[in-house]
Amino acid sequence: GEDVEQSLFLSVREGDSSVINCTYTDSSSTYLYWYKQEPGAGLQLLTYIFSNMDMKQDQRLTVLLNKKDKHLSLRIADTQTGDSAIYFCAYEDFQKLVFGTGTRLLVSP
Amino acid sequence: SQTIHQWPATLVQPVGSPLSLECTVEGTSNPNLYWYRQAAGRGLQLLFYSVGIGQISSEVPQNLSASRPQDRQFILSSKKLLLSDSGFYLCAWSSAALNQPQHFGDGTRLSIL
Repeated sequence: GEDVEQSLFLSVREGDSSVINCTYTDSSSTYLYWYKQEPGAGLQLLTYIFSNMDMKQDQRLTVLLNKKDKHLSLRIADTQTGDSAIYFCAYEDFQKLVFGTGTRLLVSP
Repeated sequence: SQTIHQWPATLVQPVGSPLSLECTVEGTSNPNLYWYRQAAGRGLQLLFYSVGIGQISSEVPQNLSASRPQDRQFILSSKKLLLSDSGFYLCAWSSAALNQPQHFGDGTRLSIL
């Protein structure tokens, strides 16, 4: 199977919370990352979490890491239409990043 | 601060023509450099990465090649493009230190006719 799995789509209403999930197979990565890609643009680093942490909060973003289950999630509070994008999780493999397939978040007004 | 530039932003090429995409990084020294391809707006495929001048690692066999003639310059090339080379090409850099995030350029949309 894939090294990093993400659901393909998520649709939420403006103001709701969004939760994007990711499962991975490699357990040796020191950091795990979340990237955002808006249409026609490159990837923007959103946030990352050190592998010995359970949670990291950064304004509207909360990252949860369950290392035992190899599960990473990104929660976006008070989701806005500007949050509509593709979100990628990634882990490190030596000097490379292994990306998930991306979750397309659609926020409707 | 560090910046990364890719050009051109959009390119339309006929099948069988050559290709040269350029990527440069400013504000840092000895970065790791990466070329990715993204097909159909979905997942990223790592094509090449480089940890130093003249050092290129290829991740997938294909008719593309990469070169790093200068410390902060990374070039993606092809002698003869195929239809399957269409896609969105992204360059990225990271610090040479371990456990550093990658930072991406704005990408090049390549269409092969």
